[in-house]
Amino acid sequence: QQQVKQSPQSLIVQKGGISIINCAYENTAFDYFPWYQQFPGKGPALLIAIRPDVSEKKEGRFTISFNKSAKQFSLHIMDSQPGDSATYFCAASMADSGAGSYQLTFGKGTKLSVIP
Amino acid sequence: NAGVTQTPKFQVLKTGQSMTLQCAQDMNHEYMSWYRQDPGMGLRLIHYSVGAGITDQGEVPNGYNVSRSTTEDFPLRLLSAAPSQTSVYFCASSRPLGSSYEQYFGPGTRLTVT
Repeated sequence: QQQVKQSPQSLIVQKGGISIINCAYENTAFDYFPWYQQFPGKGPALLIAIRPDVSEKKEGRFTISFNKSAKQFSLHIMDSQPGDSATYFCAASMADSGAGSYQLTFGKGTKLSVIP
Repeated sequence: NAGVTQTPKFQVLKTGQSMTLQCAQDMNHEYMSWYRQDPGMGLRLIHYSVGAGITDQGEVPNGYNVSRSTTEDFPLRLLSAAPSQTSVYFCASSRPLGSSYEQYFGPGTRLTVT
């Protein structure tokens, strides 16, 4: 049972455009939702994260939108740049749950290509 | 700080061989974990540890062993390699981030089993 579903698998965006990646989760006990960015040959790195007590979080050009009733969250990259070309993973975990707080359940990833 | 380091970067094994993937962190993080990454599958948790002497299984533990004798090191052992274990392996350590945790990933080990 895949607990975090991510779409699309791949995305091509023109430079300056908006990139949107969507995730849906099933486990209502999840309450911490990070996004990770991975460049080729590197390990994933935390990009931005949100707790469900807010509907939106913005850091620079990156915004997470969160819809608790729909159990969905999305990453928006504004003014996309070629340097944003990477694979993006959404994830979820249960904060405040002891060992469960550490365990991230990942989506399958979205390969973003930003073309000049 | 070197962060999370992994060795080797690349490894080719024959079916049935054993090996240990090394992972070390110098951030004094209590929590460490191992993931495997396969095309189209995302990252799947193999084993994790919440401190020295304490380990537990993740989503895909079969064929792998771990131990945690120190805070810094968390090696992953493949007992008898199989082609299905061909993958990229990532080690991670975590620090508290409010009431949840931020995971720091190593650069990965690309393993091929023939």
